[in-house]
Amino acid sequence: AQSVSQHNHHVILSEAASLELGCNYSYGGTVNLFWYVQYPGQHLQLLLKYFSGDPLVKGIKGFEAEFIKSKFSFNLRKPSVQWSDTAEYFCAVNAISGYQKVTFGTGTKLQVIP
Amino acid sequence: DTGVSQNPRHKITKRGQNVTFRCDPISEHNRLYWYRQTLGQGPEFLTYFQNEAQLEKSRLLSDRFSAERPKGSFSTLEIQRTEQGDSAMYLCASSLGTGAYEQYFGPGTRLTVT
Repeated sequence: AQSVSQHNHHVILSEAASLELGCNYSYGGTVNLFWYVQYPGQHLQLLLKYFSGDPLVKGIKGFEAEFIKSKFSFNLRKPSVQWSDTAEYFCAVNAISGYQKVTFGTGTKLQVIP
Repeated sequence: DTGVSQNPRHKITKRGQNVTFRCDPISEHNRLYWYRQTLGQGPEFLTYFQNEAQLEKSRLLSDRFSAERPKGSFSTLEIQRTEQGDSAMYLCASSLGTGAYEQYFGPGTRLTVT
């Protein structure tokens, strides 16, 4: 069975600080990987996704993530955060060989202080 | 562009009562998913449909839960004999295609069982 671990539950940063949120998954086969974001009072929305190819993927609003297969990791990064990045971030994995079940991590709440 | 809609947005019910939620996916999307999210957790997969066929159900989905998508468009999730442990946010998502394409989430229905 697939699983996802997000080790940072709550992160507080000042504006312009760099961000890295950890995500590790557990599954032996080929996977699709996602980062979703939920801004306060809004729906979950896709930030970026990795299906294949270049392991460094770029998403919206300056976010990027790197897939490191040997470490089963898909960490999210942003060089300089803004107050508007305050949100909850969820890493998710889908095992290609299985059905369309997507397994989410427990989420990381990011608070950016102006 | 109308996104995924869910009704009602909030539901308060007494233990033992039945409740039904509705999800209207994005019109051309053939896949529809139900998730449950509790405080401090990421969304947990419940079930998913491809057109009108229910292709996978989580073990989280007890016999009290049933989901339908009769015409391959909207879907309903019914919980019979609600329990306090059913209190959660119930999320619906839809996607297009045969791969693990981006899932578009609705705003959710918050259920409170008293």
